[in-house]
Amino acid sequence: GAVVSQHPSWVICKSGTSVKIECRSLDFQATTMFWYRQFPKQSLMLMATSNEGSKATYEQGVEKDKFLINHASLTLSTLTVTSAHPEDSSFYICSAQDRGLYGYTFGSGTRLTVV
Amino acid sequence: GENVEQHPSTLSVQEGDSAVIKCTYSDSASNYFPWYKQELGKRPQLIIDIRSNVGEKKDQRIAVTLNKTAKHFSLHITETQPEDSAVYFCAASHGNNRLAFGKGNQVVVIP
Repeated sequence: GAVVSQHPSWVICKSGTSVKIECRSLDFQATTMFWYRQFPKQSLMLMATSNEGSKATYEQGVEKDKFLINHASLTLSTLTVTSAHPEDSSFYICSAQDRGLYGYTFGSGTRLTVV
Repeated sequence: GENVEQHPSTLSVQEGDSAVIKCTYSDSASNYFPWYKQELGKRPQLIIDIRSNVGEKKDQRIAVTLNKTAKHFSLHITETQPEDSAVYFCAASHGNNRLAFGKGNQVVVIP
């Protein structure tokens, strides 16, 4: 079945630094990639939607200059958390949608801790 | 946009009993309704889904029912086992639009 590989699985960084998270669709072409953030004991909150070759669409309240999303190819999307702060510590997870199908495949998630 | 409500927020059941989680949605155009199981620190796993052209779908101990008129869908887990303990999320989407998730339901199966 469809597989989305997400790296890194966990990262600890210092305040003020940037962190890049990658999601790759391994056996299908991901025309649309969704990026979510999940705080402890809460649901998945959609941050942005990216389509290959175009700018990402951000949800209300999500700073596009802080959470940079690049979807340059049909198999790779990246989320860069710039100038990270402790409040950005969360579980970030991507989800890819295969072209022409309803299915959504999740990456394994990235646990970000900003110290 | 779509708004998905999920009830109850927590559910404890005795091993072997059935568990039912209900979700309501707001957008009558939504036509895809998946259920995900998420264990602590892991990715959500799709356990079953249903599309709007059917009213019920079953896969072994898991079933989902959909009532389009009332705009609600439910997850049914029969003969619950301790490994069924997890957080379950319902979601709804319309075509290629993004998934709107419910807040999640913590299911605890008591041995």
